[in-house]
Amino acid sequence: EAQVTQNPRYLITVTGKKLTVTCSQNMNHEYMSWYRQDPGLGLRQIYYSMNVEVTDKGDVPEGYKVSRKEKRNFPLILESPSPNQTSLYFCASTPMGQRNTEAFFGQGTRLTVV
Amino acid sequence: GEDVEQSLFLSVREGDSSVINCTYTDSSSTYLYWYKQEPGAGLQLLTYIFSNMDMKQDQRLTVLLNKKDKHLSLRIADTQTGDSAIYFCAERRPASKLTFGTGTRLQVTL
Repeated sequence: EAQVTQNPRYLITVTGKKLTVTCSQNMNHEYMSWYRQDPGLGLRQIYYSMNVEVTDKGDVPEGYKVSRKEKRNFPLILESPSPNQTSLYFCASTPMGQRNTEAFFGQGTRLTVV
Repeated sequence: GEDVEQSLFLSVREGDSSVINCTYTDSSSTYLYWYKQEPGAGLQLLTYIFSNMDMKQDQRLTVLLNKKDKHLSLRIADTQTGDSAIYFCAERRPASKLTFGTGTRLQVTL
Protein backbone atom coordinates (compact mmCIF):
# COMPACT_ATOMS: atom_id res chain seq x y z
CA GLU A 1 0.00 0.00 0.00
CA ALA A 2 1.31 3.44 -0.99
CA GLN A 3 1.82 5.51 2.10
CA VAL A 4 3.72 8.18 3.97
CA THR A 5 4.52 7.19 7.54
CA GLN A 6 5.38 9.64 10.27
CA ASN A 7 6.55 8.84 13.78
CA PRO A 8 5.69 9.58 16.45
CA ARG A 9 2.02 10.58 16.12
CA TYR A 10 2.08 12.45 19.42
CA LEU A 11 4.99 13.94 21.32
CA ILE A 12 5.27 16.10 24.41
CA THR A 13 8.73 17.43 25.16
CA VAL A 14 10.50 20.13 27.13
CA THR A 15 12.11 23.29 25.83
CA GLY A 16 15.61 22.70 24.52
CA LYS A 17 15.54 18.92 24.27
CA LYS A 18 16.51 17.86 20.77
CA LEU A 19 13.98 15.74 18.91
CA THR A 20 13.52 14.12 15.52
CA VAL A 21 10.28 13.35 13.72
CA THR A 22 10.74 10.67 11.11
CA CYS A 23 9.03 10.48 7.73
CA SER A 24 9.22 7.61 5.31
CA GLN A 25 7.51 7.00 1.94
CA ASN A 26 7.35 3.82 -0.12
CA MET A 27 6.40 5.35 -3.48
CA ASN A 28 9.89 6.25 -4.74
CA HIS A 29 8.89 9.92 -4.87
CA GLU A 30 11.58 12.49 -5.48
CA TYR A 31 9.94 15.45 -3.75
CA MET A 32 9.29 15.48 -0.02
CA SER A 33 8.31 18.30 2.27
CA TRP A 34 7.38 19.21 5.82
CA TYR A 35 4.49 21.44 6.80
CA ARG A 36 3.22 22.76 10.06
CA GLN A 37 -0.47 23.40 10.62
CA ASP A 38 -1.63 26.10 13.00
CA PRO A 39 -5.18 27.39 13.59
CA GLY A 40 -6.07 30.21 11.24
CA LEU A 41 -2.78 29.87 9.34
CA GLY A 42 -3.38 26.72 7.33
CA LEU A 43 -0.36 24.65 6.31
CA ARG A 44 2.96 26.38 5.95
CA GLN A 45 5.94 24.73 4.36
CA ILE A 46 9.01 24.34 6.59
CA TYR A 47 11.53 22.59 4.33
CA TYR A 48 11.43 20.61 1.14
CA SER A 49 13.68 18.27 -0.76
CA MET A 50 13.69 17.69 -4.50
CA ASN A 51 15.90 14.62 -4.29
CA VAL A 52 18.60 12.89 -2.26
CA GLU A 53 21.02 15.39 -0.70
CA VAL A 54 18.99 18.33 -2.10
CA THR A 55 17.09 20.31 0.53
CA ASP A 56 15.85 23.87 0.69
CA LYS A 57 14.01 26.22 2.98
CA GLY A 58 10.29 26.68 2.77
CA ASP A 59 8.33 29.56 4.21
CA VAL A 60 8.99 28.99 7.93
CA PRO A 61 12.37 27.19 8.30
CA GLU A 62 13.65 28.89 11.46
CA GLY A 63 14.35 26.44 14.27
CA TYR A 64 14.24 23.34 12.05
CA LYS A 65 16.67 21.16 10.16
CA VAL A 66 16.14 18.33 7.71
CA SER A 67 18.24 15.75 5.95
CA ARG A 68 17.73 13.58 2.88
CA LYS A 69 20.35 10.85 2.87
CA GLU A 70 18.02 8.32 1.26
CA LYS A 71 15.15 8.82 -1.13
CA ARG A 72 12.54 7.29 1.13
CA ASN A 73 13.36 9.16 4.39
CA PHE A 74 13.08 12.83 5.25
CA PRO A 75 13.45 13.43 9.00
CA LEU A 76 12.60 16.75 10.63
CA ILE A 77 15.00 17.80 13.38
CA LEU A 78 14.37 20.33 16.12
CA GLU A 79 17.75 20.99 17.73
CA SER A 80 16.38 23.14 20.55
CA PRO A 81 12.58 23.09 20.55
CA SER A 82 10.68 26.08 21.88
CA PRO A 83 7.00 26.46 22.83
CA ASN A 84 6.24 28.35 19.60
CA GLN A 85 7.01 25.12 17.76
CA THR A 86 4.01 23.48 19.37
CA SER A 87 2.01 22.53 16.30
CA LEU A 88 0.69 19.76 14.09
CA TYR A 89 3.29 18.62 11.59
CA PHE A 90 2.74 16.88 8.27
CA CYS A 91 5.17 15.22 5.94
CA ALA A 92 4.23 14.93 2.27
CA SER A 93 5.75 13.28 -0.78
CA THR A 94 5.14 13.99 -4.45
CA PRO A 95 6.42 12.44 -7.66
CA MET A 96 8.11 14.92 -9.96
CA GLY A 97 7.92 15.13 -13.71
CA GLN A 98 4.25 14.22 -14.00
CA ARG A 99 1.43 16.46 -15.19
CA ASN A 100 -0.60 16.29 -12.04
CA THR A 101 1.53 15.69 -9.01
CA GLU A 102 -0.74 14.83 -6.12
CA ALA A 103 0.87 15.21 -2.72
CA PHE A 104 0.50 12.26 -0.37
CA PHE A 105 0.39 13.17 3.28
CA GLY A 106 1.34 11.38 6.43
CA GLN A 107 -1.10 11.14 9.34
CA GLY A 108 0.51 14.00 11.20
CA THR A 109 2.58 14.46 14.35
CA ARG A 110 1.14 16.56 17.14
CA LEU A 111 4.03 18.15 19.01
CA THR A 112 3.72 19.99 22.30
CA VAL A 113 6.75 21.83 23.70
CA VAL A 114 6.42 22.86 27.33
CA GLY B 1 1.23 38.93 -1.13
CA GLU B 2 1.91 35.23 -0.88
CA ASP B 3 -1.27 34.23 0.95
CA VAL B 4 -3.96 31.88 -0.28
CA GLU B 5 -7.09 33.04 1.50
CA GLN B 6 -10.21 31.25 2.66
CA SER B 7 -12.94 32.07 5.12
CA LEU B 8 -12.40 30.19 8.37
CA PHE B 9 -15.82 28.75 9.04
CA LEU B 10 -18.99 27.67 7.21
CA SER B 11 -22.12 26.13 8.67
CA VAL B 12 -24.78 24.47 6.51
CA ARG B 13 -27.77 22.25 7.07
CA GLU B 14 -27.72 18.64 6.00
CA GLY B 15 -29.05 18.34 2.46
CA ASP B 16 -28.18 21.90 1.48
CA SER B 17 -25.32 22.85 -0.83
CA SER B 18 -22.04 24.12 0.59
CA VAL B 19 -19.83 26.58 -1.25
CA ILE B 20 -16.29 27.07 -0.02
CA ASN B 21 -14.32 29.91 -1.58
CA CYS B 22 -10.63 30.49 -2.05
CA THR B 23 -8.53 33.32 -3.46
CA TYR B 24 -5.06 32.44 -4.64
CA THR B 25 -2.17 34.62 -5.66
CA ASP B 26 0.11 33.11 -8.27
CA SER B 27 -1.11 33.43 -11.84
CA SER B 28 1.53 30.93 -12.94
CA SER B 29 0.01 28.17 -10.82
CA THR B 30 -0.76 25.20 -13.01
CA TYR B 31 -3.00 23.13 -10.79
CA LEU B 32 -5.37 24.05 -8.01
CA TYR B 33 -6.49 21.52 -5.44
CA TRP B 34 -9.04 20.90 -2.76
CA TYR B 35 -7.98 18.79 0.20
CA LYS B 36 -10.17 17.48 3.02
CA GLN B 37 -8.95 16.98 6.56
CA GLU B 38 -11.11 14.98 8.93
CA PRO B 39 -10.49 15.23 12.70
CA GLY B 40 -7.24 13.55 13.73
CA ALA B 41 -6.33 12.65 10.17
CA GLY B 42 -3.99 13.83 7.46
CA LEU B 43 -5.02 15.57 4.27
CA GLN B 44 -6.90 13.70 1.59
CA LEU B 45 -7.04 14.97 -1.98
CA LEU B 46 -10.67 15.58 -2.98
CA THR B 47 -10.33 17.01 -6.44
CA TYR B 48 -8.18 19.26 -8.55
CA ILE B 49 -8.52 21.49 -11.60
CA PHE B 50 -6.03 22.42 -14.25
CA SER B 51 -5.60 26.15 -14.68
CA ASN B 52 -6.91 26.20 -18.25
CA MET B 53 -10.29 24.83 -17.15
CA ASP B 54 -13.26 26.79 -15.85
CA MET B 55 -15.18 24.03 -14.20
CA LYS B 56 -14.84 20.43 -13.14
CA GLN B 57 -17.58 18.18 -11.78
CA ASP B 58 -17.01 14.99 -9.86
CA GLN B 59 -20.17 13.43 -8.40
CA ARG B 60 -21.33 15.81 -5.64
CA LEU B 61 -18.34 18.10 -6.07
CA THR B 62 -18.14 21.03 -8.48
CA VAL B 63 -15.01 23.13 -8.78
CA LEU B 64 -15.22 26.55 -10.40
CA LEU B 65 -12.15 28.51 -11.41
CA ASN B 66 -12.10 32.20 -12.31
CA LYS B 67 -8.53 32.67 -13.44
CA LYS B 68 -8.92 36.39 -14.09
CA ASP B 69 -9.92 37.02 -10.47
CA LYS B 70 -7.75 34.14 -9.11
CA HIS B 71 -10.83 32.75 -7.42
CA LEU B 72 -11.53 29.09 -6.80
CA SER B 73 -14.65 27.57 -5.28
CA LEU B 74 -15.78 24.13 -4.19
CA ARG B 75 -19.47 23.31 -4.19
CA ILE B 76 -20.69 20.23 -2.34
CA ALA B 77 -24.21 19.25 -3.31
CA ASP B 78 -26.54 17.53 -0.82
CA THR B 79 -24.11 18.08 2.07
CA GLN B 80 -23.98 15.22 4.57
CA THR B 81 -22.75 15.05 8.17
CA GLY B 82 -19.78 13.04 6.89
CA ASP B 83 -18.70 16.11 4.95
CA SER B 84 -17.91 17.94 8.21
CA ALA B 85 -14.18 18.60 8.04
CA ILE B 86 -11.62 21.27 7.27
CA TYR B 87 -11.22 22.00 3.57
CA PHE B 88 -8.00 23.41 2.19
CA CYS B 89 -7.45 24.88 -1.22
CA ALA B 90 -3.91 24.73 -2.55
CA GLU B 91 -2.09 26.05 -5.57
CA ARG B 92 0.84 24.34 -7.22
CA ARG B 93 3.63 26.79 -7.85
CA PRO B 94 6.86 26.19 -9.78
CA ALA B 95 9.26 23.50 -8.44
CA SER B 96 6.33 21.41 -7.18
CA LYS B 97 5.67 23.66 -4.21
CA LEU B 98 2.14 23.44 -2.86
CA THR B 99 0.89 26.56 -1.11
CA PHE B 100 -2.14 26.04 1.09
CA GLY B 101 -4.95 28.28 2.15
CA THR B 102 -5.85 28.82 5.78
CA GLY B 103 -8.55 26.15 5.68
CA THR B 104 -12.34 26.39 6.02
CA ARG B 105 -14.05 24.41 8.75
CA LEU B 106 -17.34 23.08 7.42
CA GLN B 107 -19.95 22.24 10.04
CA VAL B 108 -23.02 20.32 8.91
CA THR B 109 -26.03 20.60 11.15
CA LEU B 110 -29.15 18.42 11.25
